[in-house]
Amino acid sequence: QKEVEQNSGPLSVPEGAIASLNCTYSDRGSQSFFWYRQYSGKSPELIMSIYSNGDKEDGRFTAQLNKASQYVSLLIRDSQPSDSATYLCAVIHQGGKLIFGQGTELSVKP
Amino acid sequence: GAGVSQSPSNKVTEKGKDVELRCDPISGHTALYWYRQSLGQGLEFLIYFQGNSAPDKSGLPSDRFSAERTGGSVSTLTIQRTQQEDSAVYLCASTTRTVYEQYFGPGTRLTVT
Repeated sequence: QKEVEQNSGPLSVPEGAIASLNCTYSDRGSQSFFWYRQYSGKSPELIMSIYSNGDKEDGRFTAQLNKASQYVSLLIRDSQPSDSATYLCAVIHQGGKLIFGQGTELSVKP
Repeated sequence: GAGVSQSPSNKVTEKGKDVELRCDPISGHTALYWYRQSLGQGLEFLIYFQGNSAPDKSGLPSDRFSAERTGGSVSTLTIQRTQQEDSAVYLCASTTRTVYEQYFGPGTRLTVT
């Protein structure tokens, strides 16, 4: 079992729809969770961090964390073509090492 | 500049040569990470420096890879006797001690011919 798992996609949604990206992790002791966005040919960019169970909203982005289910998700409301990118879920592993999932490719169609 | 910087941005080398990649973290960030990303793949952890503690080298793929961090700031990743499978983008990230949000540099694209 991989430490951080994501569906590779591609996930295709129409412009204006809600995009839902999911991630599961194996280390039950993990406390810190992150979503990064990576455009093709660019380095990852931090877009959300979440540390407590529940929802955290920032503009059109909402991160959701359920530690009991070892599940993290990212919702993007009113998706725009400029949101088309690969979204990486990352979890702090023991000792402070950040472990990344393989990423989910999102395509927002105009 | 305020961000993480890396040099060179691109490096083409012949198989068997040694290369050095440099990372300059954000000022005040005590932790520094190196990752590798092959074409179409996810991020592969290589090594992690935290302050003056011994680095976590658990991700280095072979003994041809080494890294050092001088004065708690700039880091150099060295690959000896490069192989074609070393071709990838090498990314550096830094973070503060109390917050683990990592900020990435632009990367170095290494091509081994």
